[in-house]
Amino acid sequence: EVQLVQSGAEVKKPGESLKISCKGSGYRFTTYWIGWVRQMPGKGLEWMGIIYPGDSDTKYSPSFQGQVTISADKSITTAYLQWSSLKASDTAMYYCATSNGYNFDYWGQGTLVTVSS
Amino acid sequence: QSALTQPASVSGSPGQSITISCTGTSSDVGGYSYVSWYQQHPGKAPKLVIHDVSNRPSGVSNRFSGSKSGNTASLTISGLQAEDEADYYCSSYTSSSTRYVFGTGTKVTVL
Repeated sequence: EVQLVQSGAEVKKPGESLKISCKGSGYRFTTYWIGWVRQMPGKGLEWMGIIYPGDSDTKYSPSFQGQVTISADKSITTAYLQWSSLKASDTAMYYCATSNGYNFDYWGQGTLVTVSS
Repeated sequence: QSALTQPASVSGSPGQSITISCTGTSSDVGGYSYVSWYQQHPGKAPKLVIHDVSNRPSGVSNRFSGSKSGNTASLTISGLQAEDEADYYCSSYTSSSTRYVFGTGTKVTVL
């Protein structure tokens, strides 16, 4: 069974750094892309970026390029989304999802990030 | 790259059929057969219900069907049930640097 298990909710202050994780199991981690999707409170889905763990090829939405960093450690079948300096506007639910490059097949349960002073 | 356009809400009575539209451009919906649909219940993660315009993943009810004509894709839910009440999002691959684009989302209400 394909599973993506994300790290727990985070409460941070503006300017702090953060790295959230997404651990895959039940499939060959290196042969499927993993994407990250943001959902701000009461809003729709926004694609942030995607990584191919096999060779770490990474692509970002222009809206998020330079704002976040996506990485993966195939030795522990885990993908990451990180910020170097959080803003209040980063408050959102973040989902990871497997992808064949064109659809998002399996989704993690989401990680709620709250940024508040 | 703007979001794909969906109606904000669609409603229907149990047993009825409803259709949700998803309008894009020739650079996304009209240019590729990579339209997918996601169902999201409140407080839950999205779930893929249709991929590649009209294909249902294993385990998804055959009451869900998808189609596309020109720059507009559609999701039809037949035999509407209370459990179908949720938000629905379309998505498409796009030739723009954005790579993927989601729709604005549609809230389905079962009356």
